Amino acid sequence: SYLLTQPPSVSVAPGKTARISCGGSDIGGKSFHWYQQKSGQAPVLLIYYNTDRPSGIPDRFSGTYSGNTATLTITRVEAGDEADYYCQVWESSTDDVVFGGGTRLTVL
Amino acid sequence: QVQLQESGPGLVKSSETLSLTCTVSGGSLGSYYWSWLRQPPGKGLEWIGYVSYSGTTKYNPSLKSRVTISLDKSMKQFSLKLTYVTTADTAVYYCAREERGWESRWFDPWGQGALVTVSS
Repeated sequence: SYLLTQPPSVSVAPGKTARISCGGSDIGGKSFHWYQQKSGQAPVLLIYYNTDRPSGIPDRFSGTYSGNTATLTITRVEAGDEADYYCQVWESSTDDVVFGGGTRLTVL
Repeated sequence: QVQLQESGPGLVKSSETLSLTCTVSGGSLGSYYWSWLRQPPGKGLEWIGYVSYSGTTKYNPSLKSRVTISLDKSMKQFSLKLTYVTTADTAVYYCAREERGWESRWFDPWGQGALVTVSS
């Protein structure tokens, strides 16, 4: 089955920029979606179609896509951004949904 | 604003059937796909399957032989049944609305989740 690779953890100081990567083989043409999951809560959609933000999501959160990697960027990081972040794609050949393993963001 | 709420037993015995229901409020069932996902304690997310408004279903191949997802339009609910559970099925189970666009699918919103523990 298709695999998405995320770093297990990322640490960043408040006010700085955090970048979380999501990679996979042959990801050309796939669209990446990102979710934030705070401790004890359900995931929340942050980014869809690589770069689009649902209403209500601050513009500090942004997505980019280049080569074999998608990246979630969080600028001006706040303590409240501490959470697990998951990327997700749809594998069209099998009509399956695939999630990355998740990245825990720690705000120092 | 559409909201989803899971309900069902929080404890199931090994080899029995896990049954959960998701109630949709604040929006229509039509034109969407409705999914179940789960997250074992301390682990990542796993998609279980979906049911469409027309009743079409699709399941994760790793669970396909044990999963049934159904839709009750009159009650605005969709349900999950997972048979022959083991302790490996212990997880928080989420229901979610599946959004679809050109060549992709994603989930928004999600229910708050229901912890189901399988006892041996």
